[in-house]
Amino acid sequence: DIVMTQSPDSLAVPLGERATINCKSSQSLLYSLNNKNYLVWHQQKPGQPPKVLISWASSREFGVPDRFSGSGSGTDFNLTISNLQAEDVAVYYCQQYYGIPWTFGQGTKVEIK
Amino acid sequence: EVQLAESGGGLVQPGRSLRLSCTTSGFNFGDYAISWFRQAPGKGLEWVGLIATKTYSETTVYAASVSGRFTISRDDSRTVANLQMNSLQTEDTAIYYCTRVKGSGWPVDYWGQGTLVTVSS
Repeated sequence: DIVMTQSPDSLAVPLGERATINCKSSQSLLYSLNNKNYLVWHQQKPGQPPKVLISWASSREFGVPDRFSGSGSGTDFNLTISNLQAEDVAVYYCQQYYGIPWTFGQGTKVEIK
Repeated sequence: EVQLAESGGGLVQPGRSLRLSCTTSGFNFGDYAISWFRQAPGKGLEWVGLIATKTYSETTVYAASVSGRFTISRDDSRTVANLQMNSLQTEDTAIYYCTRVKGSGWPVDYWGQGTLVTVSS
């Protein structure tokens, strides 16, 4: 199984500042035939189901604010929230869909400092 | 508007069975795979399994933790997917979510609201 490891487990950032979450995979998620990274970022606000923010490591879903951005390739990925807003308080999960079973990072809790 | 709604959750005794349904609307159900996930209370997300489209013979794949006990099926005429859970164990207690997937090798793009399954005597 592909192991996904996120860091940090939690972080507190002042309103308007930047939050960066790292996600590392135990094997490359880059598929050479199409040069795509098979990684998605999910956001789960308290008491709500998850929501897809970014797929293919860096493609924002329709309607997701552009302060959310994904980067990275291979085994090392980042989710950056610039200009953090109060409504961004949530747990963020990375997930790989490169291989079965699909696996998740443990989650990173983002709070306002 | 794409919608997925899970139903059928509840309290069940260990060793018993339960069937969850995922009722969908707002998209061409037959063109999408459906994947199930779960989240134990206070824990992270876990993939449960997936059913492909008719084009791919409705192939199913499962997590090792549920393989042989859980079965995913689909009824394209009713735009519903089901998760049959047998021999339930206390560690199966979780919120179960269904999701829409474009196909094998594609990511999830929509989540349902979830339904809670509690396995307890």
